Amino acid sequence: GAVVSQHPSWVICKSGTSVKIECRSLDFQATTMFWYRQFPKQSLMLMATSNEGSKATYEQGVEKDKFLINHASLTLSTLTVTSAHPEDSSFYICSASAGQGTNEQYFGPGTRLTVT
Amino acid sequence: AQSVTQLDSHVSVSEGTPVLLRCNYSSSYSPSLFWYVQHPNKGLQLLLKYTSAATLVKGINGFEAEFKKSETSFHLTKPSAHMSDAAEYFCVVSETGSGGYQKVTFGTGTKLQVIP
Repeated sequence: GAVVSQHPSWVICKSGTSVKIECRSLDFQATTMFWYRQFPKQSLMLMATSNEGSKATYEQGVEKDKFLINHASLTLSTLTVTSAHPEDSSFYICSASAGQGTNEQYFGPGTRLTVT
Repeated sequence: AQSVTQLDSHVSVSEGTPVLLRCNYSSSYSPSLFWYVQHPNKGLQLLLKYTSAATLVKGINGFEAEFKKSETSFHLTKPSAHMSDAAEYFCVVSETGSGGYQKVTFGTGTKLQVIP
C-alpha cells in the first residue's frame, strides 16, 4: 500500500512555456503533500508543503508565482512550472503524508524536467 | 529551528563489515526521524522511522537506528554490508508545529560504497 505516482516521469519543454506535473496518492488519502527539487548528486530541497483545500506554504527562496501548487483533492496535487527557463531543469519529487501523527511520507518516483 | 547534519558525505566499507552512517539533528518540538535510501535512478525508499516509541528502531534489509536524545543523534547501522546496500542514504527530520504545519528537512545525504 501507500503508493504515490507522478506524471509525467520525464518532460522536455522549451524556454518560456509552462509545464504541469501531477502527483497522486493511489491508495490512501493524502492530507499533506510535499514538493521537492533534487539537483544531480545533491540532496532533496523542500520547495513547498500543501494541505488539501488550502494554499501551499513555500520555503524561503522558492518563488510561489513561478512554481504554482494546487492541492485540490486528497489524492491529487499539481506543480506547474511557469515560464520555464533552463535553470529550472531538475528532478522534481513529490511525497504524500496521510497524517495521523506518523509524519511518514511516501515518495513518488520523480519527474525529470529538461528546459531547452 | 530544525536541521539535520549527516556527518559523512561518503562512506566506504568492505562487503561483510559493519556500516555506520551518522546523523545529528536539532528540533524545537518532538521530532519524527527517518532514514531513506535512494538507489541510482530509483525513487526514495523508507528504511526505518522513529516516532517517539522505542528508541532502537529496526528497519528493512537489516538496518537499524538508535534515537539518542541526549546526543541528538540518529545513526544508522547494519552489522554486515551487502553489495546491494550501495546507495545514497538520507536522514530526515519532521515535526508538526502548533499550527498543524508539518516541517520536513532532509540531510545532505551519505553515499555508501561497498567494496567486494
